[in-house]
Amino acid sequence: AQKITQTQPGMFVQEKEAVTLDCTYDTSDQSYGLFWYKQPSSGEMIFLIYQGSYDEQNATEGRYSLNFQKARKSANLVISASQLGDSAMYFCAMREGGYNQGGKLIFGQGTELSVKP
Amino acid sequence: GAGVSQSPSNKVTEKGKDVELRCDPISGHTALYWYRQSLGQGLEFLIYFQGNSAPDKSGLPSDRFSAERTGGSVSTLTIQRTQQEDSAVYLCASSDTPGRASNEQFFGPGTRLTVL
Repeated sequence: AQKITQTQPGMFVQEKEAVTLDCTYDTSDQSYGLFWYKQPSSGEMIFLIYQGSYDEQNATEGRYSLNFQKARKSANLVISASQLGDSAMYFCAMREGGYNQGGKLIFGQGTELSVKP
Repeated sequence: GAGVSQSPSNKVTEKGKDVELRCDPISGHTALYWYRQSLGQGLEFLIYFQGNSAPDKSGLPSDRFSAERTGGSVSTLTIQRTQQEDSAVYLCASSDTPGRASNEQFFGPGTRLTVL
């Protein structure tokens, strides 16, 4: 069965520093998608970045990049130049199935990031 | 319309009562999802609609939970004979049919359900 593991319940980072949030996954599918979502204290889930299992390049979106190591089944999120507004819960998620398929997301337990001024 | 909307934002009910939670997806999105988020269980998938049909209901925890979607738009999640363990935030999400590789899900603000 598919599973997402986030081993860091909480992380601290100094403002303007970079931080890496860990995510490992388990699936028997060859085709899948990996997602990161941010959930601020307001509660809404905000999509950050996506990596497809066949994508050869690591995904990047502004200050967010995804360090995808397929053989190790890891999909770590890197946030560069942290800002106070980055303080939130971060969820890694996986969707099985191919290119732009629909289907449920399986979420990890989340990592609570706190950015210190 | 802007994003996914859900109503009510908060619902307090007594054990044993039925509740209905509503989700309005982003206009034109054919896929709709229900999840619930609780402290002990994290984020759990409940049900997925493509149009008006539900190809994946595998996450519904018991037969007290049901959902429908009409006109390929609004969805209602119904919980019958609510129990205290049903207390959670119920999140709805929608996504477009293939157009982007990510086909990411856009989430609503959630309905916080408290069963007394």
